[in-house]
Amino acid sequence: RKEVEQDPGPFNVPEGATVAFNCTYSNSASQSFFWYRQDCRKEPKLLMSVYSSGNEDGRFTAQLNRASQYISLLIRDSKLSDSATYLCVVNSDSNYQLIWGAGTKLIIKP
Amino acid sequence: DAGVTQSPTHLIKTRGQQVTLRCSPKSGHDTVSWYQQALGQGPQFIFQYYEEEERQRGNFPDRFSGHQFPNYSSELNVNALLLGDSALYLCASSAPREGTDTQYFGPGTRLTVL
Repeated sequence: RKEVEQDPGPFNVPEGATVAFNCTYSNSASQSFFWYRQDCRKEPKLLMSVYSSGNEDGRFTAQLNRASQYISLLIRDSKLSDSATYLCVVNSDSNYQLIWGAGTKLIIKP
Repeated sequence: DAGVTQSPTHLIKTRGQQVTLRCSPKSGHDTVSWYQQALGQGPQFIFQYYEEEERQRGNFPDRFSGHQFPNYSSELNVNALLLGDSALYLCASSAPREGTDTQYFGPGTRLTVL
């Protein structure tokens, strides 16, 4: 089993739709969780940190379920500019190393 | 406030050669991590430098080595290049002393090994 697993994608959705990404992690000792966004041939950029209580930033909502070792990202009212690959990231138990999922590609269609 | 910078942006080498990639961290950051990202994959952790020492290492062979300088900038060296080393090499900086392990990435160096 991979340490961080994401939906393989790609997701093709119409503009304005709501999109949900799922991610599971294997290390129950992980303490930090993130969603990064990566545009084609660019570096990953931090989208959101994920907190136990869940957090929201505009159209983006992230949730963490420690019992199920599951993280989610919801994008509401999707825009064409949301097209990118979304990467789920979890820290290792040593706290120094981040473990990355393979990413889920999102394509928003007009 | 300059973000993370990397050089060069692109590089073409042949098998067996050696390469050095460079990274300057974001202002105020003292920790540098290096990642290799193959096409269609998430970044894979190579190693992390803090206080000029390698603090942790991922599953990469000894051909991959690094260095951190007193000004916190860092180099990644890869010896005896293989075709499979072709990838985007990303540098990320962070400031764990500030109580966060959020990492910020540079634009990467795209290495092609022929």
